[in-house]
Amino acid sequence: AQTVTQSQPEMSVQEAETVTLSCTYDTSESDYYLFWYKQPPSRQMILVIRQEAYKQQNATENRFSVNFQKAAKSFSLKISDSQLGDAAMYFCAYPPHGSSNTGKLIFGQGTTLQVKP
Amino acid sequence: DGGITQSPKYLFRKEGQNVTLSCEQNLNHDAMYWYRQDPGQGLRLIYYSQIVNDFQKGDIAEGYSVSREKKESFPLTVTSAQKNPTAFYLCASSSRGHSSGANVLTFGAGSRLTVL
Repeated sequence: AQTVTQSQPEMSVQEAETVTLSCTYDTSESDYYLFWYKQPPSRQMILVIRQEAYKQQNATENRFSVNFQKAAKSFSLKISDSQLGDAAMYFCAYPPHGSSNTGKLIFGQGTTLQVKP
Repeated sequence: DGGITQSPKYLFRKEGQNVTLSCEQNLNHDAMYWYRQDPGQGLRLIYYSQIVNDFQKGDIAEGYSVSREKKESFPLTVTSAQKNPTAFYLCASSSRGHSSGANVLTFGAGSRLTVL
């Protein structure tokens, strides 16, 4: 079965510091997208960043960047200059086989990030 | 502003009752989805629909039903056959096709269902 694994149930970071959340996945597709979603206490899921697998350059969105290792099937999220508003649950996700052009996604179990002032 | 509206935010159900969760979007998205979230777990796909009058089962469709009579609406009915319905339910939508936008999901604020 295709899976997404987030091995860190909880992480904490000091405000203004950098933290990296890990994610590994399993797919036989060659071209696909990978996503990080954030779920704040309001529980509404928000897209943080996405990576196209055929692009070697790591995606970056302001303070958020990814370290995409295609061969290792690893997709970690780095948050720089952490802010209190970054406290949330973070989910890694990717499309299951044959679904790369739909919105179907497999989600990891999530990592709860605590930001300490 | 465009977005997805889910209602009700909180819902209580007695055992044996069917309940329907509403999901409406004004994003002109073709595809809509229902996900279930349990504590400490990721999201699991219940049903999805890529066009009007068509929908497919996801990974945990048993005990649920949906309809897609309008592009804007994708209601989810939790039937009495669902043995453990207490969960947080998230509706999402996305554009459809082969563009890079096809995979990006926009989510509603969710509905919390509790069985009494």
